[in-house]
Amino acid sequence: EAGVAQSPRYKIIEKRQSVAFWCNPISGHATLYWYQQILGQGPKLLIQFQNNGVVDDSQLPKDRFSAERLKGVDSTLKIQPAKLEDSAVYLCASSRGPRLEQYFGPGTRLTVT
Amino acid sequence: TQLLEQSPQFLSIQEGENLTVYCNSSSVFSSLQWYRQEPGEGPVLLVTVVTGGEVKKLKRLTFQFGDARKDSSLHITAAQPGDTGLYLCAGDTGGFKTIFGAGTRLFVKA
Repeated sequence: EAGVAQSPRYKIIEKRQSVAFWCNPISGHATLYWYQQILGQGPKLLIQFQNNGVVDDSQLPKDRFSAERLKGVDSTLKIQPAKLEDSAVYLCASSRGPRLEQYFGPGTRLTVT
Repeated sequence: TQLLEQSPQFLSIQEGENLTVYCNSSSVFSSLQWYRQEPGEGPVLLVTVVTGGEVKKLKRLTFQFGDARKDSSLHITAAQPGDTGLYLCAGDTGGFKTIFGAGTRLFVKA
């Protein structure tokens, strides 16, 4: 079984630029999560999808972050415009359903200069 | 706000030593997970505990869930360099949200 795929693995941008991350979950997993992990901290949930619907986006900074999962499979997370404090690893995870075991991708390391 | 506090933040030990790391909260969780994360990778689930007082063993790792389901511990016997990594606990609030602690970074020297 293929794992969760994420791209790119690394991204360096200047502040005020835009960036997008892509996630392909494990086949058949209905629930998809995007987490932000700042250096020295644990992952913080940004948004959770159940199929193509949003279950929780309470910690997503909606003025600059957006995410979609149009066909209930792949997902993209966008930041526009980026700030220095957005520098972090962005992790995507998927599970068969909510509250079931989450499988994480390798993450995208974003550096904003 | 529900928080999970992990201690210690950092631990450096010699191969063969035993260690215990802790995960504490003032909130009750319906279940709690332990993950290990290596540099450049995402977290990998080690165990899920759901019953107060539950003890689970995974080779040299022993996980315990507190009776009140507010805290948990992870004990490693005879640590090996391969145990090096970031150990994260995560609590299920009973809704759809999982909350992660900041982690304990373990370094086992050969």
